[in-house]
Amino acid sequence: DGGITQSPKYLFRKEGQNVTLSCEQNLNHDAMYWYRQDPGQGLRLIYYSQIVNDFQKGDIAEGYSVSREKKESFPLTVTSAQKNPTAFYLCASSETVAYGYTFGSGTRLTVV
Amino acid sequence: SQKIEQNSEALNIQEGKTATLTCNYTNYSPAYLQWYRQDPGRGPVFLLLIRENEKEKRKERLKVTFDTTLKQSLFHITASQPADSATYLCAGSARQLTFGSGTQLTVLP
Repeated sequence: DGGITQSPKYLFRKEGQNVTLSCEQNLNHDAMYWYRQDPGQGLRLIYYSQIVNDFQKGDIAEGYSVSREKKESFPLTVTSAQKNPTAFYLCASSETVAYGYTFGSGTRLTVV
Repeated sequence: SQKIEQNSEALNIQEGKTATLTCNYTNYSPAYLQWYRQDPGRGPVFLLLIRENEKEKRKERLKVTFDTTLKQSLFHITASQPADSATYLCAGSARQLTFGSGTQLTVLP
């Protein structure tokens, strides 16, 4: 079955550490996205990529970085510069913005 | 900045009734509005998309409307069931999707 796989499901980060969240899709979608979800705030766009080797900042890109070396993969790194990283992170893909997005099951990141 | 607002944080209805959720947009004109269902601890699941030149779209027990004059979309679930209990997210797209904060629907047996 086609879909998006996010790993790990739970992740704990120590202060000052960088961590990388994995996102892989086998839907052959060109566009991929990273969102952050905090309670009561809905989803906020961190980064998006519409094609391999290209990506754009979203609304809250500070403290995050991404790469898109393969069509199937769009990893997100949460750097030590992100001061409040505890959140639920969601990866999504789509053919274009004119189609519905397919989301992964999310990674819950907690700072310890 | 462009904004999607879902007026009700929570909505409780009796089983069998029609649930109506509201989504309003401000400061932009989305070409599409999308509705998603999200269960606790899970990623959102796409339900319906409606284009700005469409007034209404249906899928099984779901109906979505798009009123560009009121800048509003309504999402209806007819003959609601306890299994419909979830958070429903509205999203508007211009270049990218902007999400509302969701409405938590509880269908009481």
